[in-house]
Amino acid sequence: DGGITQSPKYLFRKEGQNVTLSCEQNLNHDAMYWYRQDPGQGLRLIYYSQIVNDFQKGDIAEGYSVSREKKESFPLTVTSAQKNPTAFYLCASNPDRVGNQPQHFGDGTRLSIL
Amino acid sequence: GEDVEQSLFLSVREGDSSVINCTYTDSSSTYLYWYKQEPGAGLQLLTYIFSNMDMKQDQRLTVLLNKKDKHLSLRIADTQTGDSAIYFCAENNFNKFYFGSGTKLNVKP
Repeated sequence: DGGITQSPKYLFRKEGQNVTLSCEQNLNHDAMYWYRQDPGQGLRLIYYSQIVNDFQKGDIAEGYSVSREKKESFPLTVTSAQKNPTAFYLCASNPDRVGNQPQHFGDGTRLSIL
Repeated sequence: GEDVEQSLFLSVREGDSSVINCTYTDSSSTYLYWYKQEPGAGLQLLTYIFSNMDMKQDQRLTVLLNKKDKHLSLRIADTQTGDSAIYFCAENNFNKFYFGSGTKLNVKP
């Protein structure tokens, strides 16, 4: 079955540590996105990529980094500069580079601070 | 960014209709979307409507779009306990999607 796989489902970070969240898709979609979801809030865009080897900052990129070396993979690193990383992180993809199609979502990674 | 607003909670009885409302600000959006999120899961696309349509029906779901008032609604007929979830409306503007804060639907048996 085609879809988006996020791993791990739960992740714990120690103070001062960088952690990387994995997102893999086998839908052959060009565009991929990372969102952060806090309780009672909508989704906020962290980074997005329309094509391999290119990515753009979203609305809350500070303290995060991404790479897009392969079409199917878009990992997100939460750096120690992100002072409030506890949240639910969602990865999405879109078959259309400019987003004029519905987005498809993974099942999310919940990140907590130890 | 764009503003997409929804009420936070809705409670209905099983078998009743549910109506979830949303207002948005960007009149240039091509499509408007409704997503469903169950606890601990990602967002599942329920339905979407092209911006030049007024209504779209898909089984128990009816989407109404009032472009003049920038108002979008989702009606769920014969609501079931399995419909309990958070519902998000979203609009897209070029390569970005903007989501409301979600409406938590509670269906009482």
